[in-house]
Amino acid sequence: AQKITQTQPGMFVQEKEAVTLDCTYDTSDPSYGLFWYKQPSSGEMIFLIYQGSYDQQNATEGRYSLNFQKARKSANLVISASQLGDSAMYFCAMREGNFGNEKLTFGTGTRLTIIP
Amino acid sequence: DTAVSQTPKYLVTQMGNDKSIKCEQNLGHDTMYWYKQDSKKFLKIMFSYNNKELIINETVPNRFSPKSPDKAHLNLHINSLELGDSAVYFCASSQVGQGRLDEQYFGPGTRLTVT
Repeated sequence: AQKITQTQPGMFVQEKEAVTLDCTYDTSDPSYGLFWYKQPSSGEMIFLIYQGSYDQQNATEGRYSLNFQKARKSANLVISASQLGDSAMYFCAMREGNFGNEKLTFGTGTRLTIIP
Repeated sequence: DTAVSQTPKYLVTQMGNDKSIKCEQNLGHDTMYWYKQDSKKFLKIMFSYNNKELIINETVPNRFSPKSPDKAHLNLHINSLELGDSAVYFCASSQVGQGRLDEQYFGPGTRLTVT
């Protein structure tokens, strides 16, 4: 079974609009972390935002915010005021394990295209 | 002052050859990883090392052999390359147990093409 599910293979959004990228996860571990990474066409993996399972508040980093709904096991990424440079692949990932045996499990990604 | 570096960036080779990819991090992290990204962009962990000790080996063929000479380096050697090994290989590092600070920093990736 998929541990990280991203149901949107591709999205097209008008510049300056807000966009929500969906991510649901599955784990029985009470301690976990959720990450979003951006991969532009140049190929590098860029960390965007992190949410810990015990964090009380939703994470925010500039124009990025994470809509964390623990009971629904969802961790959607919200990008406000989208820009052309936001066009990229976006990956949701979950950290499992602890103290040395940690690993990231990735979703299949969402390709976001910002339209001018 | 690159945080995680990989060499080479591109590697084109023929089936049956043996090749190595090198990774170095200057962040002082104690854990390093190898991930494989296939042609459909799916990323999957292959190995992790913590303080030079192999921790995770995700059912990778034994043609792949990671080696960690010290905490700052994790190399990947691949024997008898096959067409299906063509992918982008990412090295990453993290300092585990740091809460939000244990994000994994990725290298730029090595695009391996086997012909």
